Amino acid sequence: DAGVIQSPRHEVTEMGQEVTLRCKPISGHNSLFWYRQTMMRGLELLIYFNNNVPIDDSGMPEDRFSAKMPNASFSTLKIQPSEPRDSAVYFCASTGPPSASPRDTQYFGPGTRLTVL
Amino acid sequence: DQQVKQNSPSLSVQEGRISILNCDYTNSMFDYFLWYKKYPAEGPTFLISISSIKDKNEDGRFTVFLNKSAKHLSLHIVPSQPGDSAVYFCAASDSYGGSQGNLIFGKGTKLSVKP
Repeated sequence: DAGVIQSPRHEVTEMGQEVTLRCKPISGHNSLFWYRQTMMRGLELLIYFNNNVPIDDSGMPEDRFSAKMPNASFSTLKIQPSEPRDSAVYFCASTGPPSASPRDTQYFGPGTRLTVL
Repeated sequence: DQQVKQNSPSLSVQEGRISILNCDYTNSMFDYFLWYKKYPAEGPTFLISISSIKDKNEDGRFTVFLNKSAKHLSLHIVPSQPGDSAVYFCAASDSYGGSQGNLIFGKGTKLSVKP
């Protein structure tokens, strides 16, 4: 298995532009998580989906952030409009069904490093 | 309010010695704990886990200890190797939250193992 795939790996954009980050979870996994990593806050959970349904989006910082999971193999995280304080590394992770072992183990993608100028 | 705390941002250890990384938690509902390792420019990778019904789990050079009464866990690496240099994240979950696989992460401890 290729693991969790994220694209792009690096994104540099200007303030006010729309940014879309993409994630393909591991085949057969039914939960998907989006995280943001910064020096100040560490790994923050933004939103997670279970069976393509958003379960908890309380970590989404503002209405400028939105996430979708149209099917089991694809998710997007969109920032519109982007701001310099959104600069961070964004990770996507997926996990298997409750019967999976070890339990609750999330598998992370390589991340997207976003820089907003 | 941080539910999972890693109070040491960094740790430096000599090769061959023991590395001990610590983690404290506040939520007594947590019943499963994991350690992740992260190299620069990569995503975190699962290292080892422990259920709250145990107080120790060992996998090769890595051992995790859980002290439920103190709400404390630690990761021991023996012997430490330069390739162990990475950021280590502690994470916790509870089976009663109704949320499958939702983990609460600490902020990480950067381990440097010097040759």
